[in-house]
Amino acid sequence: GAVVSQHPSWVICKSGTSVKIECRSLDFQATTMFWYRQFPKQSLMLMATSNEGSKATYEQGVEKDKFLINHASLTLSTLTVTSAHPEDSSFYICSARDHRDEQFFGPGTRLTVL
Amino acid sequence: DAKTTQPPSMDCAEGRAANLPCNHSTISGNEYVYWYRQIHSQGPQYIIHGLKNNETNEMASLIITEDRKSSTLILPHATLRDTAVYYCIVRVGGGNAGNMLTFGGGTRLMVKP
Repeated sequence: GAVVSQHPSWVICKSGTSVKIECRSLDFQATTMFWYRQFPKQSLMLMATSNEGSKATYEQGVEKDKFLINHASLTLSTLTVTSAHPEDSSFYICSARDHRDEQFFGPGTRLTVL
Repeated sequence: DAKTTQPPSMDCAEGRAANLPCNHSTISGNEYVYWYRQIHSQGPQYIIHGLKNNETNEMASLIITEDRKSSTLILPHATLRDTAVYYCIVRVGGGNAGNMLTFGGGTRLMVKP
């Protein structure tokens, strides 16, 4: 099956700093990638839909100025958590959609903000 | 996308079949039933999907009722590594008409020795 990678797999940062998470589709091109957030013992919640070459579409309640998404190529999307605070600590997961409209998920990035 | 209802948790003995039910009574004619699972601290893993016919692959079988209002995911011989949260999702599938995946609460399957 198609492979999606994320980097880093985990990150610890100080409050007020910014953190960038990368999502790559390794063996296919993805015009659309999705970013999810998952808090402990909860389900995945969609944050935004990222389309290559255009602005991301954010779900209600997700601050676009805090969670910056860039999808500059067909194999890479990045999520930057700006001015991170402890409440942003979470498991961030991306998925990439291939030409058959099937979605493949990355392994996730665990962010801890101190 | 149609909503789904799953039991929050289930236990299964190792080596036995695990049958995970899902209700999707408001499913539309062009919506597929997808199953994903998430092992602790990992991203979701695709298992299987179907429209109206039963499906089988190397991981599992999917049984969809004739009225399509419910389905059952069957893991024929559960192992300890199958312990995970299983998500049943219905969505329009195929081509460029697909939508994002909306995750509900899922079923936490615990496979016990």
